Amino acid sequence: ETGVTQSPTHLIKTRGQQVTLRCSSQSGHNTVSWYQQALGQGPQFIFQYYREEENGRGNFPPRFSGLQFPNYSSELNVNALELDDSALYLCASSRRDRDYGYTFGSGTRLTVV
Amino acid sequence: AQSVTQLGSHVSVSEGALVLLRCNYSSSVPPYLFWYVQYPNQGLQLLLKYTTGATLVKGINGFEAEFKKSETSFHLTKPSAHMSDAAEYFCAVTTQGGSEKLVFGKGTKLTVNP
Repeated sequence: ETGVTQSPTHLIKTRGQQVTLRCSSQSGHNTVSWYQQALGQGPQFIFQYYREEENGRGNFPPRFSGLQFPNYSSELNVNALELDDSALYLCASSRRDRDYGYTFGSGTRLTVV
Repeated sequence: AQSVTQLGSHVSVSEGALVLLRCNYSSSVPPYLFWYVQYPNQGLQLLLKYTTGATLVKGINGFEAEFKKSETSFHLTKPSAHMSDAAEYFCAVTTQGGSEKLVFGKGTKLTVNP
């Protein structure tokens, strides 16, 4: 059983640029959620994807967007990067309506300079 | 709306001592509760979860937590701390149905002294 894989592990971008983060979900899981974890804080829910559609969104602006693919992998896109977007971005996969077994990846550390 | 409060951003114990990390939640509907551990530069690992049934939940690495509805608490305990327990611990809540998003507390950093 493969776990959740995120790429890249680290990334440095300049303010105003765009970034794409990738996540491969655990085998058998059909739902992907993204979280932002700022330094010294708990993770904050960005959004969730199920059946290739956004299914719930946290308090994040529209420049945060995502995709889910038929193989249940997912992308997080952030446009017009701001310094405050510097954080650890975590992807979690789960199988909807089954046991709330969320599996987290190791995250992508994004630094905006 | 749900929320989680973790009392104590830093907890320090001696090796072999009891570990107690506190978590209180707010939810208007029956909650599902989780404890995750995060080691430096890593993602989140599930320690244990409460969904339904027995209110005392046993997890990995000797940790357990008890769901107390009357106190809206879900405190994490371990009888004897080990050096390898040093990490950051997050309590989280969600509810049945809906978007199933997890709402996390701000975390408690556990230090284990030799």
